[in-house]
Amino acid sequence: DAGVIQSPRHEVTEMGQEVTLRCKPISGHNSLFWYRQTMMRGLELLIYFNNNVPIDDSGMPEDRFSAKMPNASFSTLKIQPSEPRDSAVYFCASSSTASGYTFGSGTRLTVV
Amino acid sequence: RKEVEQDPGPFNVPEGATVAFNCTYSNSASQSFFWYRQDCRKEPKLLMSVYSSGNEDGRFTAQLNRASQYISLLIRDSKLSDSATYLCVVKYSGAGSYQLTFGKGTKLSVIP
Repeated sequence: DAGVIQSPRHEVTEMGQEVTLRCKPISGHNSLFWYRQTMMRGLELLIYFNNNVPIDDSGMPEDRFSAKMPNASFSTLKIQPSEPRDSAVYFCASSSTASGYTFGSGTRLTVV
Repeated sequence: RKEVEQDPGPFNVPEGATVAFNCTYSNSASQSFFWYRQDCRKEPKLLMSVYSSGNEDGRFTAQLNRASQYISLLIRDSKLSDSATYLCVVKYSGAGSYQLTFGKGTKLSVIP
């Protein structure tokens, strides 16, 4: 089992650029979650999907953020345009009703 | 908004000491409870679930008090490898799936 796979591991980009974060959940897991972690705010849920359908996106900070899950094995989180305050570690996690959460290794985003 | 509150620490304890962390949650409808461990620059990983009757896993003991809405984690005979941030986590269910809400974590440093 390869676990939850996120890419890239690190991303440094200039303000105003588009950033796309990618996640491959564990096969068979039907829920997928995107979290953002900062020192100030801790782990915040941005959005989660159940069976590829977005269930709750109330944590998405603003319209610059969007997430998709076109199939059961892939999800993206996009920030356009990026801003310095978006700098954080972005985690993807997946789960099934029979299992707990498994997190990916995260993407460390720095917007300069 | 649902909240999970923890003392951020840091807790600096010598090897062999016993240390306890507490956590409070605001939503009385919370269903399940967990402790996660997060090492520096790593993803959170499940440490243990917390059951109403209390449960133990080796040197770790978790307790839940639903009436007071608090959860505790006790670590006995602390090891250097226990140094990490411990996240209190609460589960809410709905719409055929569930999500976890994380506290900001309590940082533990075990000193030789």
